[in-house]
Amino acid sequence: KAGVTQTPRYLIKTRGQQVTLSCSPISGHRSVSWYQQTPGQGLQFLFEYFSETQRNKGNFPGRFSGRQFSNSRSEMNVSTLELGDSALYLCASSLPPSPEAFFGQGTRLTVV
Amino acid sequence: GEDVEQSLFLSVREGDSSVINCTYTDSSSTYLYWYKQEPGAGLQLLTYIFSNMDMKQDQRLTVLLNKKDKHLSLRIADTQTGDSAIYFCAERRTTSGTYKYIFGTGTRLKVLA
Repeated sequence: KAGVTQTPRYLIKTRGQQVTLSCSPISGHRSVSWYQQTPGQGLQFLFEYFSETQRNKGNFPGRFSGRQFSNSRSEMNVSTLELGDSALYLCASSLPPSPEAFFGQGTRLTVV
Repeated sequence: GEDVEQSLFLSVREGDSSVINCTYTDSSSTYLYWYKQEPGAGLQLLTYIFSNMDMKQDQRLTVLLNKKDKHLSLRIADTQTGDSAIYFCAERRTTSGTYKYIFGTGTRLKVLA
């Protein structure tokens, strides 16, 4: 059974650009959550999608958005990139109400 | 506040036991977790415990939960060099029927040969 797949693994973008990250959950999982990990702020919750609906959102500006497709794959988009957006972006896959959440390897975004 | 607290560093000798501690904040959290992160990798789910349990054992891992003090610990028996990593505790908080995970700051475990 394949795990959670995030693409791309690494990305370098310039300030002001936008970026789209992809997450394919474990087959059959319907919930995808996104987290930002930085050395200064640690792991912070971005948003959660279930059956194509955003159910929960963290405290991030509107430049951060996401969506989920009918096959449960999810994308997150960051517009007008800032240097502070450089981070490891992790997605987690789960099948509620199961308590287990599995993470992908992450996408490391560097904004220059 | 939202903070889940952990000590930053722990160093142990190979073969010894490691104990990583965590203090969480939301007494209504139903599940508490331990994740492991190796350099350049994502988070690996090690184990989790339901909030009405005091202890859970899984091979070399023992989780202890003190709900009154909101204290969670992870004991790794016979620690190996491959256990060197950052360990995160997390609580699952429910909001309006959905949930999110709140993570601690992570404890960097270094195992000395």
